[in-house]
Amino acid sequence: DVKVTQSSRYLVKRTGEKVFLECVQDMDHENMFWYRQDPGLGLRLIYFSYDVKMKEKGDIPEGYSVSREKKERFSLILESASTNQTSMYLCASSHKGDRPNYGYTFGSGTRLTVV
Amino acid sequence: TQLLEQSPQFLSIQEGENLTVYCNSSSVFSSLQWYRQEPGEGPVLLVTVVTGGEVKKLKRLTFQFGDARKDSSLHITAAQPGDTGLYLCAGARETGNQFYFGTGTSLTVIP
Repeated sequence: DVKVTQSSRYLVKRTGEKVFLECVQDMDHENMFWYRQDPGLGLRLIYFSYDVKMKEKGDIPEGYSVSREKKERFSLILESASTNQTSMYLCASSHKGDRPNYGYTFGSGTRLTVV
Repeated sequence: TQLLEQSPQFLSIQEGENLTVYCNSSSVFSSLQWYRQEPGEGPVLLVTVVTGGEVKKLKRLTFQFGDARKDSSLHITAAQPGDTGLYLCAGARETGNQFYFGTGTSLTVIP
């Protein structure tokens, strides 16, 4: 069963901590994405990557960075966690190429609470 | 500013009723997708529509892509409690590999 795996379902971190959210996919997808989901705001794109060692800013990159050293792994880093980064974080992947025929495969999400 | 607007935002209905969820935009999309998300889980892809006017059926769910490829609808016939969840539409522009998500419709089907 193909899937996207996020390392943690729930995390509680303190303000100012450096936080790593890991995402691994086993579908050989080229594209990987990090979203955050907040009530009333929907899914907002933080960063995405179309290839190894490649990254692009999404709509809300401030306070975040990413790393993609291997094709299957895409990490989201909160450099100094703040309470306004409390959210549900969703990782997704997709094939590059024949775009209309491929959708995103999402992970189960990481619910991060910053206290 | 949200590229895709969904309505209604919340919907609570009795089991057996029919419902329609709308996804609208002023932009043209090369394809549009619908996802369902259950509490505590990531969204799961239901369908992709790519041709203006296209209609796809998935059991009791009917999806339609507008003729101008700016809007879509999801119709559920005889809703069941298992249909409860957050329904998200997502559109892809002519260029790029990114999908733009709507704000979602939260559906509750009461037994």
